[in-house]
This record gives sequence, C-alpha cells and structure tokens, in this order.
Amino acid sequence: EAGVAQSPRYKIIEKRQSVAFWCNPISGHATLYWYQQILGQGPKLLIQFQNNGVVDDSQLPKDRFSAERLKGVDSTLKIQPAKLEDSAVYLCASSLVADPYGQYFGPGTRLTVT
Amino acid sequence: AQSVTQPDIHITVSEGASLELRCNYSYGATPYLFWYVQSPGQGLQLLLKYFSGDTLVQGIKGFEAEFKRSQSSFNLRKPSVHWSDAAEYFCAVGGTSNTGKLIFGQGTTLQVKP
Repeated sequence: EAGVAQSPRYKIIEKRQSVAFWCNPISGHATLYWYQQILGQGPKLLIQFQNNGVVDDSQLPKDRFSAERLKGVDSTLKIQPAKLEDSAVYLCASSLVADPYGQYFGPGTRLTVT
Repeated sequence: AQSVTQPDIHITVSEGASLELRCNYSYGATPYLFWYVQSPGQGLQLLLKYFSGDTLVQGIKGFEAEFKRSQSSFNLRKPSVHWSDAAEYFCAVGGTSNTGKLIFGQGTTLQVKP
C-alpha cells in the first residue's frame, strides 16, 4: 500500500515570498492533517480536513496560511507571505474517519525561509 | 489545557543496554496516549498506543510503555537497545472525544553508542 506522499521534500525561499506544499493521502483515507514541526519541537496540528471540509483550523495562522482539499483527496498548504519563523518541517498525515488516531505520516517538506 | 512534557531532550545509551524514555502529561481525564518514532528524513511512525485496559502496552520493534495514572506518566521502555533505534521519539496525547487531534511533546533524541 502506498504511503502518504508529499512534495517538494525541500524548499528554500526568501521572506515575504510565497510557497505551496502538496500532500496526497493514503487511498481511502478521508481525514487529512497538516502539522508544523519547528526544529527542536514536536509537531503541532495546523489544520484537519474530513473529505473536503475543515474540522479544525484553530491553530492555523490564517493571515498568512491557507489550505484546501477541493476534491476530498489531495491537499495544498500555502504560506503567503512567508516569515523567518515559518522555517519548519511541514508534515501531512491521513487516517480513516473511523480511526482518527490511526494516522499515517508522510516524510514531510522541510522549509527554510531566509 | 492538555500538555505533554518529555523531560529528557537527549539520551545516550550503549547498544544492548536498557532504555527508558520519560513522558508526563496534563489532562483533565485519562487521555489516549501514544509514542511515535521519527528517523532522519522519515515521517513519524506509531510505536504503540494506550486507550484503556491493561496499563502495560506492547508495541512494535520490542518497545513497551506503562501508563501510571497516579504519576500522569507514560514512559517508554526497551530491554535491549539496537543501533537502529537511534532516532527521535515523541510522546503524544489525544482527547477521548476522538477528534484525532494529537498534542506532542518536544521529543527525546536517542543516541546509541556501539
């Protein structure tokens, strides 16, 4: 079974630029999560989707971050404009609706903002 | 508010020695508890989880964890560490409302000496 796919794996941008990350969940997983992992910290949930609806985006900095999952499958997370403190690994995870704690994680996208 | 504390940022053990990684949580009731491992360049992998019942939980790769309600702890153990166990380990807590929202500790980096 294919795992959670993410791209790109690495991205370097300058502050005030925009960037987008893509995630393709495991087939059949209706729930999708985006986490931010800053160096030296544990992952922090940014947004959770069920199908194409948002379940929880309470920790998403909405002035600069946006996310969408238009067809209920793959998802895009965007940052515009980026700040230095956005440097982090962005992890995508997916799960079955019936097993929300059975999350499978992708390899992540490492973002460096200079 | 829910929180997770991993008191040890970095631990070094010799190959073949026993291992214990500490995790303390703060939650109003008995939460769901998890241990994840993250190897360099890879996504998080679930080692084990506790929902209810037997307080000693067996996981993959020879790991186990014990839930101690009186100490609000969920420490991870392994009787004999292998060099391949070198990685970062995260303890996480999830609410019993089954939302899928995980709160992670800051992680413990395990180094294994030959």
